[in-house]
Amino acid sequence: AQSVTQPDIHITVSEGASLELRCNYSYGATPYLFWYVQSPGQGLQLLLKYFSGDTLVQGIKGFEAEFKWSQSSFNLRKPSVHWSDAAEYFCAVVPNDYKLSFGAGTTVTVRA
Amino acid sequence: GAVVSQHPSWVICKSGTSVKIECRSLDFQATTMFWYRQFPKQSLMLMATSNEGSKATYEQGVEKDKFLINHASLTLSTLTVTSAHPEDSSFYICSARGLAGVTDTQYFGPGTRLTVL
Repeated sequence: AQSVTQPDIHITVSEGASLELRCNYSYGATPYLFWYVQSPGQGLQLLLKYFSGDTLVQGIKGFEAEFKWSQSSFNLRKPSVHWSDAAEYFCAVVPNDYKLSFGAGTTVTVRA
Repeated sequence: GAVVSQHPSWVICKSGTSVKIECRSLDFQATTMFWYRQFPKQSLMLMATSNEGSKATYEQGVEKDKFLINHASLTLSTLTVTSAHPEDSSFYICSARGLAGVTDTQYFGPGTRLTVL
């Protein structure tokens, strides 16, 4: 079955440390790939997206993501986390139709 | 740019009443709008896809007679929860996609918290 997997339910990271959130997908062809962030009680904000071309994508707030075709992955990274990065992060794909399919989400907690 | 608003941001209603939620794209035209439902600590589940001027397409398991969707213009879609019950309490989020179609990004509204007593 087609799916989006975020293996880590919850990650705790110290402020200033690096962060990596994993995302894997299983679709026949390379879908369009997205990362969104959601603060408590809020809607979703787009961090970055990949459609084609350079596999390393730069986003807002200092985030980047790398698409790896061989691993069917689209992991999100940030070199130095700020306390304001504490939120829920969703990986999403648009496969051969137009509908966004979301992963289960990863909660990021930032400790001082 | 690409701002999507929702109104109201939260609503409390009695069981059996109907509630209307509006989704507006403020600075772009959206041929397609999407309605999602999110339970606490869970991901977003697509309920329906709304295209301007046509009937909404509902996902499997979503009751179209209970969740009425109207997409009257390129900037407005409404979701009406009819005869609401406590199990309908949830966070409802809309998104809007611009005229470029599939390659265009979906922009999300801030969500509406519905509580049915």
